[in-house]
Amino acid sequence: EDKVVQSPLSLVVHEGDTVTLNCSYEVTNFRSLLWYKQEKKAPTFLFMLTSSGIEKKSGRLSSILDKKELFSILNITATQTGDSAIYLCAASYGQNFVFGPGTRLSVLP
Amino acid sequence: DAGVTQSPTHLIKTRGQQVTLRCSPKSGHDTVSWYQQALGQGPQFIFQYYEEEERQRGNFPDRFSGHQFPNYSSELNVNALLLGDSALYLCASSFRLGQAKYEQYFGPGTRLTVT
Repeated sequence: EDKVVQSPLSLVVHEGDTVTLNCSYEVTNFRSLLWYKQEKKAPTFLFMLTSSGIEKKSGRLSSILDKKELFSILNITATQTGDSAIYLCAASYGQNFVFGPGTRLSVLP
Repeated sequence: DAGVTQSPTHLIKTRGQQVTLRCSPKSGHDTVSWYQQALGQGPQFIFQYYEEEERQRGNFPDRFSGHQFPNYSSELNVNALLLGDSALYLCASSFRLGQAKYEQYFGPGTRLTVT
């Protein structure tokens, strides 16, 4: 059965801290790994990773994929209270996606 | 450029009733997927529509059905509602280009409460 596991499920940090969120997957016919940020309702797209070892960056966020070990990490440096959200990881296979349970990040002032 | 839109934003129904949720995809997108997100969980794939046909389906009963219109918009219908159907229903759109890797964009969701 296709599945995506995320860890930790919950994380509380203080502003300025650096966090690493983990995502591992077991998906048949894997195509890409996506990260989303969900604050209230709609998950907003962060990254799509298709190749191993190539880091993608957007401001203080970065992510990398390891297709051999079947995992990805999302790093957030110098966290801010606005980074508080649920971070979802999804693995695509064909035209479909399987999501992990998400990591709830709380950044305290 | 309008993103993915969904209606209504909130809905309260009684057990046994039927509900229809609506989704308009992002401009230029032709594929619509529906997800159910229960509180504290990640989105669970319901089904996907492309060219007005259901192409893929997740592990959901036949009470969940859908439709896609020629303008690519889509509806999700749920019959004989159960309390456990209470969730956030998310629509996501994407552009299907063969089997190419692609991004998926989500709408704001419809919060369904079944009492």
